[in-house]
Amino acid sequence: QSVLTQPPSVSGAPGQTVTISCTGSSSNVGAGYDVNWYQQIPGTAPKLLIYANTNRPSGVPDRFSGSKSGTSASLAITGLQVDDEAAYYCQTYDSSLSGAYVFGTGTEVTVL
Amino acid sequence: QVHLVESGGGVVQPGGSLRLSCAASGRNFRSVAMHWVRLAPGKGLEWVAVIFYDGNNKFYADSVRGRFTISRDNSNNMLYLQMNSLRTDDTGIYYCARRGAAPAAVEYFQHWGQGTLVTVSS
Repeated sequence: QSVLTQPPSVSGAPGQTVTISCTGSSSNVGAGYDVNWYQQIPGTAPKLLIYANTNRPSGVPDRFSGSKSGTSASLAITGLQVDDEAAYYCQTYDSSLSGAYVFGTGTEVTVL
Repeated sequence: QVHLVESGGGVVQPGGSLRLSCAASGRNFRSVAMHWVRLAPGKGLEWVAVIFYDGNNKFYADSVRGRFTISRDNSNNMLYLQMNSLRTDDTGIYYCARRGAAPAAVEYFQHWGQGTLVTVSS
């Protein structure tokens, strides 16, 4: 199991705001390592939404925003759209793992 | 424009071996770290391995260390994953991935291939 914990699922109506949490520890998020966020629609490769906690790559709508505080990070999706139905993952570096990189457990977003 | 294309997936029996390849186009291949990430059926993304730009530094997830070997050929813009002693829980889609041009302290995966399916089954 991952060292980064996310809620298994969140849901919201079109137009609403949903927030996905990513809870880590003092060896990863709490140690100051940046957090990245990805969206994966079934049958497609993951897509980078946020890098270095708060930065959006070109082409990612500003409806997606990231934040980080202490041992947790969050992804907010405002103005929820049907096309936002997907799995979302956080990712960072963990200094206690000899392998180093880790993804969160993943969150399924459902648009009601 | 970065483009990544994986190949080499297939069906293999438990205990068998497989070699995945990732052909990279675009700039700066030899100056960036390259990663393998997998998605098992019904599970989440799992980081598998990384090889840094010169090929001398490699790191692996605990689940594959000692069985998988990552390598690269900077002359031909190729990334590889040699998978030995395969187990049924290695089944999944394997992606190669790399960062974008923006600097960051932690590796992030902006560019992904389409993935190649590995099925380990008797």
